[in-house]
Amino acid sequence: QSALTQPPSASGSPGQSVTISCTGTSSDVGGYNYVSWYQQHPGKAPKLIIYEVSKRPSGVPDRFSGSKSGNTASLTVSGLQAEDEADYHCSSYAGSKNFYVFGGGTMVTV
Amino acid sequence: QVQLQQWGAGLLKPSETLSLTCAVHGGAFYGYYWSWIRQPPGKGLEWIGEINHLGSTHYNPSLKSRVTLSVDTSNKQVSLKLSPVTAADTAVYYCARTPAADDYWGQGTLVTVSS
Repeated sequence: QSALTQPPSASGSPGQSVTISCTGTSSDVGGYNYVSWYQQHPGKAPKLIIYEVSKRPSGVPDRFSGSKSGNTASLTVSGLQAEDEADYHCSSYAGSKNFYVFGGGTMVTV
Repeated sequence: QVQLQQWGAGLLKPSETLSLTCAVHGGAFYGYYWSWIRQPPGKGLEWIGEINHLGSTHYNPSLKSRVTLSVDTSNKQVSLKLSPVTAADTAVYYCARTPAADDYWGQGTLVTVSS
């Protein structure tokens, strides 16, 4: 069982938006602004698309956005495209004892 | 451009030792923590631990008793040992520099534990 809770699946039509939640506790998501989101296509390594809650690495389209409220972080993918179909994983820093925890992943279908 | 190349045995028997190495090519090695992350088939990611060039380590508490991370700065390599393994350790293992604005991952190594 993963430390962070994500819905197993989400879907949207091309051009629409989809939002994925990632729920933790005050010891991880709620306690630090160090939430990350990863995109993973089948058979590939994960790719970081959001770090520190809402920052995008260079080259990541601004269709991807992140936010946080309390113990829940969210990833929104706007203007869905076929290539956005993938698994999305959230992660959070969880303090100097547990360091990093992950969610179970969400499969997004376009 | 940083590239991470990893290698190690892909098939182990229960009670054996998992050993993987990750070489960092083409970029800075010092000043970063290098992580090991695994993914059981069809499941989510699990953080194993991280190490920097000074050998400073942080471990997932649930794996700490079985994990050893080490660093070879002369060859810009980091290594993972996990012992003893069970079937529950079957997973794709990744080395990575993450999370960071410049995020890099190895190609992944499938390690299967089976008698």
